[in-house]
Amino acid sequence: GNSVTQMEGPVTLSEEAFLTINCTYTATGYPSLFWYVQYPGEGLQLLLKATKADDKGSNKGFEATYRKETTSFHLEKGSVQVSDSAVYFCALLQETSGSRLTFGEGTQLTVNP
Amino acid sequence: DAGITQSPRHKVTETGTPVTLRCHQTENHRYMYWYRQDPGHGLRLIHYSYGVKDTDKGEVSDGYSVSRSKTEDFLLTLESATSSQTSVYFCAIRQVQGLAQYFGPGTRLTVT
Repeated sequence: GNSVTQMEGPVTLSEEAFLTINCTYTATGYPSLFWYVQYPGEGLQLLLKATKADDKGSNKGFEATYRKETTSFHLEKGSVQVSDSAVYFCALLQETSGSRLTFGEGTQLTVNP
Repeated sequence: DAGITQSPRHKVTETGTPVTLRCHQTENHRYMYWYRQDPGHGLRLIHYSYGVKDTDKGEVSDGYSVSRSKTEDFLLTLESATSSQTSVYFCAIRQVQGLAQYFGPGTRLTVT
């Protein structure tokens, strides 16, 4: 079956540091890939997505590239801010069986001033 | 904002009691989903719906049932709540165009 593995957290960085959160997946065929962000006490918000190999999703300074050869979709940001503190979820979707999402466990990011 | 509301937002109930959570959407989306979020597990799909009266099971459906009698409402019922069902429950919709799902604010359920 499908699965998503994220780097273990929590991750603590200083403001303006470079961020990488690793995400690898196992799936048959060609899934679409997503990053969601969850701020404290809130629901999940779509951060970015990529639907085919070599696509790069980007939003709010975050980027992730769909790498089929390494089955990865790592999240990066060049300079994090305190307001980026949140939990980040990697997810994949295959357009079968109702297009259900499979999530990673989430990575807690804390950015200190 | 995909126009999704969930009710109640918080609930405490006792073991063995029935509980119904409601998800309401205002934009006529066909696909609706119920997930639960637990530490160390991310989000896991409970049930989903692909139209009025059309539903199917997800990966953690035991102990849960759903109903969708109209497009805008998707109900999740715990017939007899257990402590293992203490969790945060999220509803989501999928828009017709694009593949992304959009989530409601969540319901925190505590079963004592």
